Amino acid sequence: NAGVTQTPKFQVLKTGQSMTLQCAQDMNHNSMYWYRQDPGMGLRLIYYSASEGTTDKGEVPNGYNVSRLNKREFSLRLESAAPSQTSVYFCASSFQGYDTGELFFGEGSRLTVL
Amino acid sequence: AQKVTQAQTEISVVEKEDVTLDCVYETRDTTYYLFWYKQPPSGELVFLIRRNSFDEQNEISGRYSWNFQKSTSSFNFTITASQVVDSAVYFCALSDTYNFNKFYFGSGTKLNVKP
Repeated sequence: NAGVTQTPKFQVLKTGQSMTLQCAQDMNHNSMYWYRQDPGMGLRLIYYSASEGTTDKGEVPNGYNVSRLNKREFSLRLESAAPSQTSVYFCASSFQGYDTGELFFGEGSRLTVL
Repeated sequence: AQKVTQAQTEISVVEKEDVTLDCVYETRDTTYYLFWYKQPPSGELVFLIRRNSFDEQNEISGRYSWNFQKSTSSFNFTITASQVVDSAVYFCALSDTYNFNKFYFGSGTKLNVKP
């Protein structure tokens, strides 16, 4: 029962490098999300995808791009990493229908940008 | 605008003490959902409870209980007879009913339970 799987778990980048965080869920959820967690700031939504083929900006989208490849997969790309993007990134999924379903989270990806 | 405030940054208690984590929210919506999540030291976020704004009944699950009061816009979480395994960061969250895909998280309360 994998749930939400995200890779890599850890990554160190130099300023200006690019990378993609991968996320997959096996719960047949329609919605997927990328959050970042910084000390004292809780979780902030970067992008979300309400369904396959759609993506929308969250609170802090600048510097990121996303792709909803299919129903299962939702990737987050940093085109030119900056030290301000040092954070822990969480992918999540949920089923959103006539009411709000809870979020299921991956284990997180710790990214350090030097 | 939607907002969740967890004013307690960090709380330390001794095992077996009761502890209440506060959550105050702001929303203009009449229909909304509130959540609590636990983040243990291992880092993953674990869902604890979801509460619909129309259901003001308090909920109890073992040593955990939740007090939802619309009059004060609060959704507080109490752990009775705390245990070391309860040590974690706890997040309160609010969903946006105009867009069920938007969840607003508080900044979290770190609970330290000492033996």
